[in-house]
Amino acid sequence: DAGVTQSPTHLIKTRGQQVTLRCSPKSGHDTVSWYQQALGQGPQFIFQYYEEEERQRGNFPDRFSGHQFPNYSSELNVNALLLGDSALYLCASSLTQGRGQPQHFGDGTRLSIL
Amino acid sequence: AQKVTQAQTEISVVEKEDVTLDCVYETRDTTYYLFWYKQPPSGELVFLIRRNSFDEQNEISGRYSWNFQKSTSSFNFTITASQVVDSAVYFCALSGNQAGTALIFGKGTTLSVSS
Repeated sequence: DAGVTQSPTHLIKTRGQQVTLRCSPKSGHDTVSWYQQALGQGPQFIFQYYEEEERQRGNFPDRFSGHQFPNYSSELNVNALLLGDSALYLCASSLTQGRGQPQHFGDGTRLSIL
Repeated sequence: AQKVTQAQTEISVVEKEDVTLDCVYETRDTTYYLFWYKQPPSGELVFLIRRNSFDEQNEISGRYSWNFQKSTSSFNFTITASQVVDSAVYFCALSGNQAGTALIFGKGTTLSVSS
């Protein structure tokens, strides 16, 4: 049973560029959440997708956008990259049915902005 | 507003010592969920346990145990007879009762177990 998979593992970009990160949820999960984890910090919620729509959003600018596909996989897009966007980006999947379902995380994509 | 505080930034112990990681939370919800995750150097967050706000029973799983006390808004995690493989960053997290609610994480506690 495959867990959450993310690609790529590492990415290096320069300021002003755009990036797309990808995530496939754990089998049977229908909800995908994205988190940003800066060095030495806990993960910060970016947004969550369910039924191909953004259901909830954290305190991140519009430069951060996403998409969920019919097969529940998801993309995170970041435009006009800033140095401060350097972080580990984590994707998590869960089941919407039932409250408080644990989120299961992928290995993350480490994004470095030069 | 919801908040999770992990006051211990780093803890160092020697193998076989017991260690307790503290977690204090703030929420106005009457129904909420608490979680612990482990993050080894590889980066993946590994789910360890979930507790809902109506279940204050302590739980033990092998060398791991959790103490949930609603009166003090704490959800502490104890590792008994620590091992080198326990070295990781441990995060406590909180979520509300609505569908799709985000996880609010603490800043984490780095545990180093030496042999």
